[in-house]
Amino acid sequence: DTAVSQTPKYLVTQMGNDKSIKCEQNLGHDTMYWYKQDSKKFLKIMFSYNNKELIINETVPNRFSPKSPDKAHLNLHINSLELGDSAVYFCASSRIDSPSYNEQFFGPGTRLTVL
Amino acid sequence: GQQVMQIPQYQHVQEGEDFTTYCNSSTTLSNIQWYKQRPGGHPVFLIQLVKSGEVKKQKRLTFQFGEAKKNSSLHITATQTTDVGTYFCAGHAGGSYIPTFGRGTSLIVHP
Repeated sequence: DTAVSQTPKYLVTQMGNDKSIKCEQNLGHDTMYWYKQDSKKFLKIMFSYNNKELIINETVPNRFSPKSPDKAHLNLHINSLELGDSAVYFCASSRIDSPSYNEQFFGPGTRLTVL
Repeated sequence: GQQVMQIPQYQHVQEGEDFTTYCNSSTTLSNIQWYKQRPGGHPVFLIQLVKSGEVKKQKRLTFQFGEAKKNSSLHITATQTTDVGTYFCAGHAGGSYIPTFGRGTSLIVHP
C-alpha cells in the first residue's frame, strides 16, 4: 500500500495556465507538507499544514495555494504558471510528537515542466 | 532564521572508499534526521538523532550528533554502488515541528 501518493507524476503545461497537484496519505498523520526541489536538488519547504494551522514559507509566491479537504489530503494549486515554477514537487506527511518529531514520509514527486 | 549548512555538495568516490557528509546548524537543534534520495526517487528517512553526542550505526553507515547539538555527520564505510544518491540532513530547532533541510550531498560511486 502506498503511504503518500501524488498525482500526476508528470505535468507539462504552458506559461500562464493554472494547475493542481493532488496528495493523499493513508498513514493517519496529522501534518502534511509541500516541498519544491530545484535542479540542484535543494529541498525548499513551501507549506506545512495540520488541523490547527497553515504555515507558509514567506518566500513562496501567493500564486501557490494549498487546499486541504480533510486530514488525509493536501492539494497544491498553482495559478498563472511561470517558467521558474518548473521543478519537482514533493508532498510529505508526518506525526508531530514533542520533543522528538517523527520522520517525514515523502510522496513519489510530481515533475512540473512549464513551457 | 535557522540555517543548516551541509558539505560537500558533491562527492565522487571509488567503490570501496569511505564517504562522509557534514551538517552544521546556526542554532541548537532538538534533533537531526537523515534522509537518502536515490536518483529519480524521493527522500527516504534513514535515522533520527536526539541526544547530545549520540552515535548510531546502520550496517556500514555511522551517524553522529555533536555534543553541542549543532552539527552532525554521516559516514559510510567501504561505499558500494547502491549507496549512490543524495543524502540530506534535516534539523528541528526549538519547539518547531518544521524541519530545516540541508542542501544535500550527492554521492557518486565509481565501480
